[in-house]
Amino acid sequence: DSGVTQTPKHLITATGQRVTLRCSPRSGDLSVYWYQQSLDQGLQFLIQYYNGEERAKGNILERFSAQQFPDLHSELNLSSLELGDSALYFCASSVGPGENSPLHFGNGTRLTVT
Amino acid sequence: GNSVTQMEGPVTLSEEAFLTINCTYTATGYPSLFWYVQYPGEGLQLLLKATKADDKGSNKGFEATYRKETTSFHLEKGSVQVSDSAVYFCALSDRMNYGGSQGNLIFGKGTKLSVKP
Repeated sequence: DSGVTQTPKHLITATGQRVTLRCSPRSGDLSVYWYQQSLDQGLQFLIQYYNGEERAKGNILERFSAQQFPDLHSELNLSSLELGDSALYFCASSVGPGENSPLHFGNGTRLTVT
Repeated sequence: GNSVTQMEGPVTLSEEAFLTINCTYTATGYPSLFWYVQYPGEGLQLLLKATKADDKGSNKGFEATYRKETTSFHLEKGSVQVSDSAVYFCALSDRMNYGGSQGNLIFGKGTKLSVKP
């Protein structure tokens, strides 16, 4: 058990809808990362937060947004969903913002858009 | 931009066989290199890492050496077990535009390993 909790485990929704994925980092970790895993693109980095502030942005679509709250949990909001957004979304956390802090991954949220 | 290329799978081996999974990278500067493993239904777990050239990372019988001259970080294990069946990801640490380190990783596409008894 990595200590990173993601909810829900599965989500099925229709095109055009909006969903929110939630992540609770490991106790003591200040940095949260969101990744999207799909068969064709592999694991793509979306966005990173450190102690409530956005730190790095990857291939995140404008329809997607995220935030990290004062209690350090994070939410990833996906709107105007398309079929191509179906994927496994992982949250990871680490103690610090830099590369010397190993990432600990949650078990992911599987999103299916129909 | 920075990228990681790893051998495509799936790789199927018999128990006790020797394992090599190739990984090469393209990066500016000197990133840290990682191998992560993903067991079915789970998130990724750090297997090993190396932070500078010629470093050897090792864990649970797996090892990989950071080769700057060949920009490679191949994963090896001398004798695989059925419990090693998983997807293995090679990754490197990304760098901010101004050269500072950051925590997010760039992953290869993963190599699925199946070990038969």
